[in-house]
Amino acid sequence: EIVLTQSPATLSLSPGERATLSCRASQSVNSYLAWYQQKPGQAPRLLISDTSNRATGVPARFSGSGSGTDFTLTISSLEPEDSAVYYCQQRSSWPPYTFGQGTKLEIK
Amino acid sequence: EVQLLESGGGSVPPGGSLRLSCGASGFTFSSYAMAWVRQAPGKGLEWVSSISGGGDGTYYADSVKGRFTISRDNSKNTLFLQMNHLRAEETALYFCAKDTSAWPNSPFDFWGQGTLVTVSS
Repeated sequence: EIVLTQSPATLSLSPGERATLSCRASQSVNSYLAWYQQKPGQAPRLLISDTSNRATGVPARFSGSGSGTDFTLTISSLEPEDSAVYYCQQRSSWPPYTFGQGTKLEIK
Repeated sequence: EVQLLESGGGSVPPGGSLRLSCGASGFTFSSYAMAWVRQAPGKGLEWVSSISGGGDGTYYADSVKGRFTISRDNSKNTLFLQMNHLRAEETALYFCAKDTSAWPNSPFDFWGQGTLVTVSS
């Protein structure tokens, strides 16, 4: 089973700043890495599929990059509504799908 | 508009059973694989099970294999999860999620709001 490790666990930034969230896999997942956003009391929302493909309706300030075992979700200029927990997920070695433990992004 | 509405959650003692349902609308249900993903209180996401669009392929996390059964009724646009021999550690919010293709192993592009399962004596 592929283990995904996200860092940092918590990130606290101000509006307008750039956020960089990391996801590291225990073995290569090729490009089969997705990112989800979950706000309190809500279901997860797909942001990015296959490393860098933005889902429908996702603002352009969200971008994904990486390959193999190291991946990054970047939010170029933070908005207050970006406060959420972000999860990465792999589908390269499946089943099972595995998720990272999440990064909590706080907007000051 | 895609909508997924879970139901069937509740409180059961350890060893008990529950059947979850997920009603779908806004897309051609039989054309997409579906999945169940759970989230224990204050914890992260854990994939539980997936089923192909036609229902002919089913997949389970090792932790639930042999106790949970996923199924679907494409004539009624409904996904099910039969959960037997429930354990206390399976207390969680159970989400149904839509795949982006007919076969599992694709990202989940839509999620329901979840149904809460509490396993406690």
